[in-house]
Amino acid sequence: DGGITQSPKYLFRKEGQNVTLSCEQNLNHDAMYWYRQDPGQGLRLIYYSQIVNDFQKGDIAEGYSVSREKKESFPLTVTSAQKNPTAFYLCASSRDIITDTQYFGPGTRLTVL
Amino acid sequence: LAKTTQPISMDSYEGQEVNITCSHNNIATNDYITWYQQFPSQGPRFIIQGYKTKVTNEVASLFIPADRKSSTLSLPRVSLSDTAVYYCLVGPRDSGAGSYQLTFGKGTKLSVIP
Repeated sequence: DGGITQSPKYLFRKEGQNVTLSCEQNLNHDAMYWYRQDPGQGLRLIYYSQIVNDFQKGDIAEGYSVSREKKESFPLTVTSAQKNPTAFYLCASSRDIITDTQYFGPGTRLTVL
Repeated sequence: LAKTTQPISMDSYEGQEVNITCSHNNIATNDYITWYQQFPSQGPRFIIQGYKTKVTNEVASLFIPADRKSSTLSLPRVSLSDTAVYYCLVGPRDSGAGSYQLTFGKGTKLSVIP
């Protein structure tokens, strides 16, 4: 069963703690993405990766970090430097970044207390 | 940056055709136009993609005029299950040095009424 998975679905953390969100895909896609969505808002790009061991900042990268050590995995770390981390985080993948459509995971809702 | 503008919300009765327009005045030559559907607390789902003229698939049609400064997503005979937020995505914009910009609009909340 191919697809893109994110875990956990809900995550609670105390203020000041770093937290890592998981994103895994078995679609053999080269490109992967992280978006943030706030209530009633659209999607804003945090980071994307076109290929293993490479990633680029999106529009709102400050306070976040990523790694792409394996093709299937693109974890996102929300650091304590992120001023307002409570949000819905979406991971996506596509065969390439130029023309291909993105397949999204189910999302992780992060709440920082 | 290829900014997009969509209506914030639309209402439609079941069985009607719905047309949602997205404006993207500064679309670049290499940009594609892609539409996604999102239900609450779920990830968006691809609907349709186009570059110019008209594209049709089993769920929707996409109309793009010659100047490509706008696009219209057409949903035939909507049902209650089509109630969702619809996003227009234009890009990716080549920012140079191997980087790209991907810009989602704020989305149009479609409410289908019985």
